[in-house]
Amino acid sequence: EAGVAQSPRYKIIEKRQSVAFWCNPISGHATLYWYQQILGQGPKLLIQFQNNGVVDDSQLPKDRFSAERLKGVDSTLKIQPAKLEDSAVYLCASSSRQGNGTEAFFGQGTRLTVV
Amino acid sequence: DAKTTQPPSMDCAEGRAANLPCNHSTISGNEYVYWYRQIHSQGPQYIIHGLKNNETNEMASLIITEDRKSSTLILPHATLRDTAVYYCIVRVASSILTGGGNKLTFGTGTQLKVEL
Repeated sequence: EAGVAQSPRYKIIEKRQSVAFWCNPISGHATLYWYQQILGQGPKLLIQFQNNGVVDDSQLPKDRFSAERLKGVDSTLKIQPAKLEDSAVYLCASSSRQGNGTEAFFGQGTRLTVV
Repeated sequence: DAKTTQPPSMDCAEGRAANLPCNHSTISGNEYVYWYRQIHSQGPQYIIHGLKNNETNEMASLIITEDRKSSTLILPHATLRDTAVYYCIVRVASSILTGGGNKLTFGTGTQLKVEL
């Protein structure tokens, strides 16, 4: 089966600019996650969707970050305006259902550099 | 979710077994132990998970102590391609009824380096 697709792979922007990342999960996967991974650290969950509803966005900096999953399939994550500390890899993951024993499949990520 | 403790780095000779320890002394009865790995410039990859019993699949074996306060991931014949950061994660069972997230809380993991 095709994996989780993300684009772009790399993005360089200046601080205060805006940027958007796109994710296409594995077909049929209802749950979609966005993680932020700062260099040298493990990934940190930003937001989780179940179909097109938000399950957990407690660690999403809502003053500058937003995410949507309008039709319960693709998702976009936006940062506006970007700060230097937003430089990180943004990972999208999906899983087929809630409950235990459900592994999450990750995309390759988008590496964002804010200068 | 319970916190885990892993050594920051380990080395292993190619062809040998790699044994990666994880301490999770505050684990609760309904928390599972999951292992993921992240090869450089890629997203994390699921390896294995378990609750009480030892588990084995085509990638690895998971040994959980009887008191469940620690576990060991075993790669029986490590290859150069197993060089990666390995994350041990404990996660509470969730369900649609509880609205639980299934989220994975990553620590800093163990950097495993497999050498010739």
